[in-house]
Amino acid sequence: AQSVSQHNHHVILSEAASLELGCNYSYGGTVNLFWYVQYPGQHLQLLLKYFSGDPLVKGIKGFEAEFIKSKFSFNLRKPSVQWSDTAEYFCAVRSNFNKFYFGSGTKLNVKP
Amino acid sequence: DVKVTQSSRYLVKRTGEKVFLECVQDMDHENMFWYRQDPGLGLRLIYFSYDVKMKEKGDIPEGYSVSREKKERFSLILESASTNQTSMYLCASSLTTGAAYEQYFGPGTRLTVT
Repeated sequence: AQSVSQHNHHVILSEAASLELGCNYSYGGTVNLFWYVQYPGQHLQLLLKYFSGDPLVKGIKGFEAEFIKSKFSFNLRKPSVQWSDTAEYFCAVRSNFNKFYFGSGTKLNVKP
Repeated sequence: DVKVTQSSRYLVKRTGEKVFLECVQDMDHENMFWYRQDPGLGLRLIYFSYDVKMKEKGDIPEGYSVSREKKERFSLILESASTNQTSMYLCASSLTTGAAYEQYFGPGTRLTVT
């Protein structure tokens, strides 16, 4: 069965600190990879996605993620976080059958 | 902008009641999905549908059924609600073809079963 692992369940950072959230998946075929964000009280929304090509993808609000095929990883990064980045972040994988698999989420608290 | 709407933000039901959760999308998406979101477990797929009247079981279909009579509407049914179905329920939709495989989510329905 497919699985998506997010290693950090809860991360606390000060403003301006750098962020890296880990995501590993188990699927041998072609994958489409996503990071979604859920701000407090809001819908899940897409942060960025990888389909093919350049393994370094840039998303909204200064986020980026790197797809490393050999490590089955798709880690999310941001060089300098802001208080407004406080949210829960979900990594997701789409399989060939249009099914999406989500990680358990990482709650990020950014202290002002 | 894609809009996915869910019929209720909050719902309280009693054990044994039949519960209907409705989801409507306005972008002619082929695929629609129902998830439940629980703390520490992320999103778990209950059912999805890739066309009208078509449905596929997800990872946790037990205790749930779905209905898709029209392309824009996807309903989740709890035949006999139980307390362990207390959760946040999220609906999503997506296209099948093209680069836009991403899912668009509704605001969620927080269901409490007492």
